[in-house]
Amino acid sequence: SQQGEEDPQALSIQEGENATMNCSYKTSINNLQWYRQNSGRGLVHLILIRSNEREKHSGRLRVTLDTSKKSSSLLITASRAADTASYFCATDRYGNKLVFGAGTILRVKS
Amino acid sequence: DVKVTQSSRYLVKRTGEKVFLECVQDMDHENMFWYRQDPGLGLRLIYFSYDVKMKEKGDIPEGYSVSREKKERFSLILESASTNQTSMYLCASSGRDPSYEQYFGPGTRLTVT
Repeated sequence: SQQGEEDPQALSIQEGENATMNCSYKTSINNLQWYRQNSGRGLVHLILIRSNEREKHSGRLRVTLDTSKKSSSLLITASRAADTASYFCATDRYGNKLVFGAGTILRVKS
Repeated sequence: DVKVTQSSRYLVKRTGEKVFLECVQDMDHENMFWYRQDPGLGLRLIYFSYDVKMKEKGDIPEGYSVSREKKERFSLILESASTNQTSMYLCASSGRDPSYEQYFGPGTRLTVT
């Protein structure tokens, strides 16, 4: 069962533009994480935001969390061709293990 | 850096064969996971192990079994491979809390013909 659902399913932007991806989930969480997957490879952890945090930054990444709306967003600023990848949100299910969404495919055109 | 390795990047097997997928992590992590990834479905948890010889079923355990005889190694077994098990298989590990950051291997793309 999928806890997190990303939106949009696919996103195509020009290099230098910002990319925003959203994630909605259904049940209460302790934390929400974002991962990146380059084509045909394993996932790489990007950032973790706890339920008592509203915003977190890491380099060009900005993550927000709205627990009242059960949603999160990932913003990538000044995108690069190397940011082309699939992005997944993951939430902890009842504080145990992670549940991943289906992902957003981001394509950054140079 | 944490390293999670998987025994094969690509594997082709015939229907009915017994298939072993191996995963090794070098960070002394307690928790290890096997997922399968299919287009449009994201990652689905097959099995989870929180200690040596301990395992827990995930969302889709049917047709699979696992083995964890040593802390660093977690094996996924397809007892009798079927075509609907053609997929990308991803192994991951994490520290004491299974809901925290997971480290993934590069994946094994399995094709069952």
